[in-house]
Amino acid sequence: GAVVSQHPSRVICKSGTSVKIECRSLDFQATTMFWYRQFPKQSLMLMATSNEGSKATYEQGVEKDKFLINHASLTLSTLTVTSAHPEDSSFYICSASETEFSEQYFGPGTRLTVT
Amino acid sequence: GQNIDQPTEMTATEGAIVQINCTYQTSGFNGLFWYQQHAGEAPTFLSYNVLDGLEEKGRFSSFLSRSKGYSYLLLKELQMKDSASYLCAVMDSNYQLIWGAGTKLIIKP
Repeated sequence: GAVVSQHPSRVICKSGTSVKIECRSLDFQATTMFWYRQFPKQSLMLMATSNEGSKATYEQGVEKDKFLINHASLTLSTLTVTSAHPEDSSFYICSASETEFSEQYFGPGTRLTVT
Repeated sequence: GQNIDQPTEMTATEGAIVQINCTYQTSGFNGLFWYQQHAGEAPTFLSYNVLDGLEEKGRFSSFLSRSKGYSYLLLKELQMKDSASYLCAVMDSNYQLIWGAGTKLIIKP
């Protein structure tokens, strides 16, 4: 089956620093990758959709200058949380699909804690 | 290795009841989630079970047996809008989510 990995699985950083999270599709080419944020026992909140080779599409209320997304290859997308603050502490989950409207495969998530 | 199994696809009739099973083998257990995902949309949280038993929420119920590594999602009084994919996910001892492949539920009139 399709496998999506994320790295790191958990990260603790100091307020004001930047953190990069990687999302990789291991056995298929992902034209589209999605980045979600999840608060405890809540639905996944879509942050942005990225298509390989083009700029990401951000959901309303998500600051594109704060959450930088790069999807430079068909197997890798990165999310960089810039100038992180404690309120950015959350569980970030990516998913990948072969096309924007095909089945999504989810990564294991990255737990970010900003101190 | 870690593994989540759920049926790939199920078909049911409007007004009926359907049970979607999920079995898991994970390193540790910190809860099991069920999500509903309509095509092209973000998954919607349905339930979270961490203790054995049945949790009921309106037309949807979720059951967990930790000793059997088993959960099910029960949908009653099915409506056409319940046609969606249903994802089972387990949080392991490292608080990582292990995802099932999802069950596509097709509702027929």
